[in-house]
Amino acid sequence: QSALTQPASVSGSPGQSITISCTGGSTDVGGYNFVSWYQQHPGKVPKLIIYDVTNRPSGVSYRFSGSKSGNTASLTISGLQAEDEADYYCCSYTSISTQYVLFGGGTRLTV
Amino acid sequence: EVQLVESGGVVVQPGGSLRLSCVGSGFNFDDYTMHWVRQAPGKGLEWVSLISGDGDSVYYADSVKGRFGISRDNKKNSLYLQMNSLTFEDAALYYCVKDAVRRIVSTASLDQWGQGTLVTVSS
Repeated sequence: QSALTQPASVSGSPGQSITISCTGGSTDVGGYNFVSWYQQHPGKVPKLIIYDVTNRPSGVSYRFSGSKSGNTASLTISGLQAEDEADYYCCSYTSISTQYVLFGGGTRLTV
Repeated sequence: EVQLVESGGVVVQPGGSLRLSCVGSGFNFDDYTMHWVRQAPGKGLEWVSLISGDGDSVYYADSVKGRFGISRDNKKNSLYLQMNSLTFEDAALYYCVKDAVRRIVSTASLDQWGQGTLVTVSS
């Protein structure tokens, strides 16, 4: 099954807000509230920043927020900071076949 | 503090086999589903497989189904990935990852990641 669809890159200036989209289908993003987002800085391990579409783990900045409409989930980062420059991946449960988890292709954020 | 430490990554020839291991600490290992996620050099994340806390439920990505086998030994707090018939496309950093939710298979929330072990496929 194909990965979830994300834009390859987005950019923004410090202080601005950006949104990264993640498009799937009714058997994954659109069918369940099991979407998560990960931040990965170069050479580092991925970090969970959003789970169950909208929830932030303890310690994650309030500037990160998640939402979903239909088959598309979104990650919004407000008040952009230089440290937000990283790769971002969405992830979803899928009911297709014997797979269970799908990742998006990733989005490079440039600040 | 949760720790996940992978091992077993080496250089292997196409068609070869390899077993990766991961030892977890700092949490009740048998309460949580565990995943393997891989990342080829310069590429994105790809989910590989999961196994439930009791070992009864296993799932695989289509790209590895029939070639890879996931297992766990809860007495040793250990997770394994048996990799057979390896191809160049399997070369990647393999992460051992803990699921965020106790006692259900998964909600696709992966909250703790190891540092990864590198698998290189080369002739």
